[in-house]
Amino acid sequence: SAVISQKPSRDICQRGTSLTIQCQVDSQVTMMFWYRQQPGQSLTLIATANQGSEATYESGFVIDKFPISRPNLTFSTLTVSNMSPEDSSIYLCSVKTDWEGGTQYFGPGTRLLVL
Amino acid sequence: QKEVEQNSGPLSVPEGAIASLNCTYSDRGSQSFFWYRQYSGKSPELIMFIYSNGDKEDGRFTAQLNKASQYVSLLIRDSQPSDSATYLCAVASGAGSYQLTFGKGTKLSVIP
Repeated sequence: SAVISQKPSRDICQRGTSLTIQCQVDSQVTMMFWYRQQPGQSLTLIATANQGSEATYESGFVIDKFPISRPNLTFSTLTVSNMSPEDSSIYLCSVKTDWEGGTQYFGPGTRLLVL
Repeated sequence: QKEVEQNSGPLSVPEGAIASLNCTYSDRGSQSFFWYRQYSGKSPELIMFIYSNGDKEDGRFTAQLNKASQYVSLLIRDSQPSDSATYLCAVASGAGSYQLTFGKGTKLSVIP
């Protein structure tokens, strides 16, 4: 499996501000993903981050609100822009390994509260 | 729209019993199926994956897949209080079969 870390682990932010979440993997992986898990809900895919190309966003998520960077094969960032209380959620990065049949492993998550 | 359905529970079983968790999916083109366990306040942890029809066993866990019925299940034998968690079913489909669609999860409570 892959070892994944995220920073920050949690944050409390004011509405209208932005927060950048970092995701670091201990090995090179082709595909990284960003998910959101709202309180009491399951996981919703925000976007797929591929190194060397633009991120691919799912329906309901746009680049202006959730810009993503993927500068190399072990690192990605997700920015939550112009935050509102509705953005309060857990944000998770995951990686799809190039072995083990493409299984996805998740980072520990970033717990965001927007006031 | 791809959908993955799970009973939300809670599912309560006594310690030592078999817990049976079920999942159905809508996309017939789905290729891979995953079970994740999520403890409260933690991120999902992979338990098992299955690609082929039939059963796959790993310790106390058995995943069962029936593509004709679009049904996947997870059996937990000799359930322990430490198994109490929410179990998420995830289905991979789409180009390259890498996009996961998650069910809402079944909350399992193992009673000592």
